[in-house]
Amino acid sequence: KNEVEQSPQNLTAQEGEFITINCSYSVGISALHWLQQHPGGGIVSLFMLSSGKKKHGRLIATINIQEKHSSLHITASHPRDSAVYICAFVPGEYGNKLVFGAGTILRVKS
Amino acid sequence: ETGVTQTPRHLVMGMTNKKSLKCEQHLGHNAMYWYKQSAKKPLELMFVYSLEERVENNSVPSRFSPECPNSSHLFLHLHTLQPEDSALYLCASSPNGRGGYGYTFGSGTRLTVV
Repeated sequence: KNEVEQSPQNLTAQEGEFITINCSYSVGISALHWLQQHPGGGIVSLFMLSSGKKKHGRLIATINIQEKHSSLHITASHPRDSAVYICAFVPGEYGNKLVFGAGTILRVKS
Repeated sequence: ETGVTQTPRHLVMGMTNKKSLKCEQHLGHNAMYWYKQSAKKPLELMFVYSLEERVENNSVPSRFSPECPNSSHLFLHLHTLQPEDSALYLCASSPNGRGGYGYTFGSGTRLTVV
């Protein structure tokens, strides 16, 4: 069983739609990252969560540590949100090696 | 700019060439990493350096040779690569080894082996 499952793998949305990407994991973690990767390849960290909910602009990330589940929401989606979204975490409390989900390819059409 | 700079951004090399990828951070981080992203696969850890000492070599072939001369610089020396080594190579840094806090990624080097 994979340590991390991300869904959906691919997502096409119309501009303005509300988008949800899910990440489930099977090990204990202390923090989870949501990352954004644009076609050029560079990765940007959107959020780091250890509990509850965080909001930045139109992006909202939530995590339920007990249920081992996190979601990334995009409100009022825009074509510039088109990218690959990846969840990642470090297993355990100590350590620094990230485990990555396979990513969700998001395309927002105008 | 994220604070982690990778050069070059793109590299095409023949199988008999020797080249090096460079990563630089001035964030005061103590740990630096090389990750590989092959087509349609998740990112995979290659090497970890903590306080300039290699603490992880994730079963990477010897044709990849990392070097960390100081806490701000990390290199990946490449020699006699294979076409299947074509991938995006990402460098990252973090303050220390505590749960991934402060992880910062570079923009990556897109490597093509011909």
